Amino acid sequence: DADVTQTPRNRITKTGKRIMLECSQTKGHDRMYWYRQDPGLGLRLIYYSFDVKDINKGEISDGYSVSRQAQAKFSLSLESAIPNQTALYFCATSFTGNYGYTFGSGTRLTVV
Amino acid sequence: QKEVEQNSGPLSVPEGAIASLNCTYSDRGSQSFFWYRQYSGKSPELIMSIYSNGDKEDGRFTAQLNKASQYVSLLIRDSQPSDSATYLCAVMAGNNRKLIWGLGTSLAVNP
Repeated sequence: DADVTQTPRNRITKTGKRIMLECSQTKGHDRMYWYRQDPGLGLRLIYYSFDVKDINKGEISDGYSVSRQAQAKFSLSLESAIPNQTALYFCATSFTGNYGYTFGSGTRLTVV
Repeated sequence: QKEVEQNSGPLSVPEGAIASLNCTYSDRGSQSFFWYRQYSGKSPELIMSIYSNGDKEDGRFTAQLNKASQYVSLLIRDSQPSDSATYLCAVMAGNNRKLIWGLGTSLAVNP
């Protein structure tokens, strides 16, 4: 099994629908992150969490919300999806400190 | 605004050659530096981390760090077609709160 698991892998949804992307990890990491990636724009941070009670906005949090249900689970919600939220979404995890991140396999989201 | 800059490429090298990928960063307080490889449509994969000035070698990969010049590079020796990917440079912000990412350099290794 993957260390960082994202579900679903692919999703097509309609404008205005609420959608949740889920991330779970078995690495014992305390920090978790949500990114989106668009061609030419690189990885952009949406939200990050240092523990269950420490959640922070990233550079592009508008239109998104998150929930850290447990140390191992971090969910991203789009309250009312719009077409420009069509992107590849990645969850990542890390230990506290100067450590690199481990990424999930990604969710390809299309909003029509 | 703390930044990490990379040439977007594409960088094209023949099979067996050395590929050299470069990255500069603006935050002088940064202490840790990472190189990720990302195949098209896949997630980034950590291939090298470096924390001290100088060179760090791992197989065909060598990371080089020069904090005075705020420069980090990745050398890939004996490049293979399977090395064709986008390489992302990431720098831990000086406050250790999160990574700052470059936009990546696309590498094509031609058989």
